Amino acid sequence: NAGVTQTPKFQVLKTGQSMTLQCAQDMNHNSMYWYRQDPGMGLRLIYYSASEGTTDKGEVPNGYNVSRLNKREFSLRLESAAPSQTSVYFCASSETENSPLHFGNGTRLTVT
Amino acid sequence: KNEVEQSPQNLTAQEGEFITINCSYSVGISALHWLQQHPGGGIVSLFMLSSGKKKHGRLIATINIQEKHSSLHITASHPRDSAVYICARPGTASKLTFGTGTRLQVTL
Repeated sequence: NAGVTQTPKFQVLKTGQSMTLQCAQDMNHNSMYWYRQDPGMGLRLIYYSASEGTTDKGEVPNGYNVSRLNKREFSLRLESAAPSQTSVYFCASSETENSPLHFGNGTRLTVT
Repeated sequence: KNEVEQSPQNLTAQEGEFITINCSYSVGISALHWLQQHPGGGIVSLFMLSSGKKKHGRLIATINIQEKHSSLHITASHPRDSAVYICARPGTASKLTFGTGTRLQVTL
């Protein structure tokens, strides 16, 4: 049972490049989330999907798009990366919006 | 101002010590989360509680809804407990508000 699998682990982009962070969970969870973690700040929600077929903006959605491809997969896309998007990104899932979270191992993204 | 405040920000303890990490919040909640972030970066959910006390092994979490305060206790601390401990309270919908964490170092 892999839990939440997130790829890639590390990525370096140049300003203006695009990329997609992949996330998949095998726990049949309804809700999935993308967070970013920056030094000195708490985790901040970028986008979430309460259930298959729905997505909603979180606290810091600008510059990102998401796709809930199916119940298992929730991807995060940066269309034109900016240095301000240098961060560690975490995908998470939960059975419902009021259940404990299960996190992926994170993606360290650097934009130069 | 973050709606969730943790103290202390950093904590060093010797193996075997009893540890307390505090979390205060400014808005009433339905359930508060405690998370552990390992030195390698991985995050694990420890507790989710809306009243009273929960215990898992050497970890105990308590919450006082009236005082808007929660504590995480670690009994008989061990170097493997070294991590960042994060509390989070639910906001609207599924938008958790996270504290900035307490960095714990347990030495031999």
